[in-house]
Amino acid sequence: QKEVEQDPGPLSVPEGAIVSLNCTYSNSAFQYFMWYRQYSRKGPELLMYTYSSGNKEDGRFTAQVDKSSKYISLFIRDSQPSDSATYLCAMSAPGTYKYIFGTGTRLKVLA
Amino acid sequence: GAVVSQHPSRVICKSGTSVKIECRSLDFQATTMFWYRQFPKQSLMLMATSNEGSKATYEQGVEKDKFLINHASLTLSTLTVTSAHPEDSSFYICSASGTIVGQPQHFGDGTRLSIL
Repeated sequence: QKEVEQDPGPLSVPEGAIVSLNCTYSNSAFQYFMWYRQYSRKGPELLMYTYSSGNKEDGRFTAQVDKSSKYISLFIRDSQPSDSATYLCAMSAPGTYKYIFGTGTRLKVLA
Repeated sequence: GAVVSQHPSRVICKSGTSVKIECRSLDFQATTMFWYRQFPKQSLMLMATSNEGSKATYEQGVEKDKFLINHASLTLSTLTVTSAHPEDSSFYICSASGTIVGQPQHFGDGTRLSIL
């Protein structure tokens, strides 16, 4: 079993839809949770960064962390074609800089 | 803020050439920088972690003599692919994190390396 599981997609949605992206993990030591967006042939761009459990909102993006279920989510409201990209979750434990990444979910928002 | 610049963005060269890739944190000091390799439609594979002023820590299976890493300052790390061969062709991405553990990594835009 991988430490971090993420559905690779592709996930296709119509413009304006609410998108839900998820990752599950097995290591209860993880405390830092990140979501990155990666466009083709570009480096990952940090979208959301959360510590421990709870919700965090930034514009159209909401990140949720449920440590009891070892489950994290990223919600995108009013999705746009420009949101079409691969979304990577990443997580790390205290005391280490090393990240464990999900495989990434490819999202396509159709105009 | 938190901008990481990676150069060059694209390299095409002959087999046997050594290629140097630079990674700079432009607006923050990066105690730790990371080098990743990414194959098409796959996630990032960590190659090595470098701390300013000390030797890099390589992941299992990564040849340290093939992939030379130097982190001479708090804003610059370099990766040199020595005597590159076609199997070294890949997308190489660096990232940097600030001086406090737990701060997120910020990534460069990657270098697409093609060895003919």
